[in-house]
Amino acid sequence: AQSVTQLDSHVSVSEGTPVLLRCNYSSSYSPSLFWYVQHPNKGLQLLLKYTSAATLVKGINGFEAEFKKSETSFHLTKPSAHMSDAAEYFCVVSWYSSASKIIFGSGTRLSIRP
Amino acid sequence: EADIYQTPRYLVIGTGKKITLECSQTMGHDKMYWYQQDPGMELHLIHYSYGVNSTEKGDLSSESTVSRIRTEHFPLTLESARPSHTSQYLCATRGTSGGALTGELFFGEGSRLTVL
Repeated sequence: AQSVTQLDSHVSVSEGTPVLLRCNYSSSYSPSLFWYVQHPNKGLQLLLKYTSAATLVKGINGFEAEFKKSETSFHLTKPSAHMSDAAEYFCVVSWYSSASKIIFGSGTRLSIRP
Repeated sequence: EADIYQTPRYLVIGTGKKITLECSQTMGHDKMYWYQQDPGMELHLIHYSYGVNSTEKGDLSSESTVSRIRTEHFPLTLESARPSHTSQYLCATRGTSGGALTGELFFGEGSRLTVL
């Protein structure tokens, strides 16, 4: 069965320190993996995506993620947090073969301390 | 940048009213989706469409209905709103590349519905 798990519901870091948001997936097929960010009262914005090319994916706003097949993980990182990074982050898995098979993680709320 | 628009952004109405949430896109995507999201919670798929005249119910049961008469529009209707319908509703599209589905979804900014 396909699933996606975000291991932390809430992460709090100090401004200027590294960010790590963890995501694990379970899939019988080759998935595409995405990270989205959602600011309050907004829709979801794509941060980055993995679609079977390079395993280290760079996204917008300094974020990047590494696809590790052996660990079935796709963790999101950023070297130095900024106050504007405070938001909800969703890890998403989808499959090219199915129009409706898109699975969202439960979300991780990132807080940034001054 | 995605061109997908939702109106209204915010709506407060009384119980029993009929409401329609509009979603329109200018990207020509066939696949469109409606998600329901309670504050601070995950997204739940309530409806999707493969194209014109094609609609399906999603994973979460919903009393809402949708239609897809034109590629650009995917409106969601509640015939008789109730307080339990209070939520944020997000519309999304999914594109294709070379005839194959691309993975990413493009989202509108959402419609926040409050039923009193």
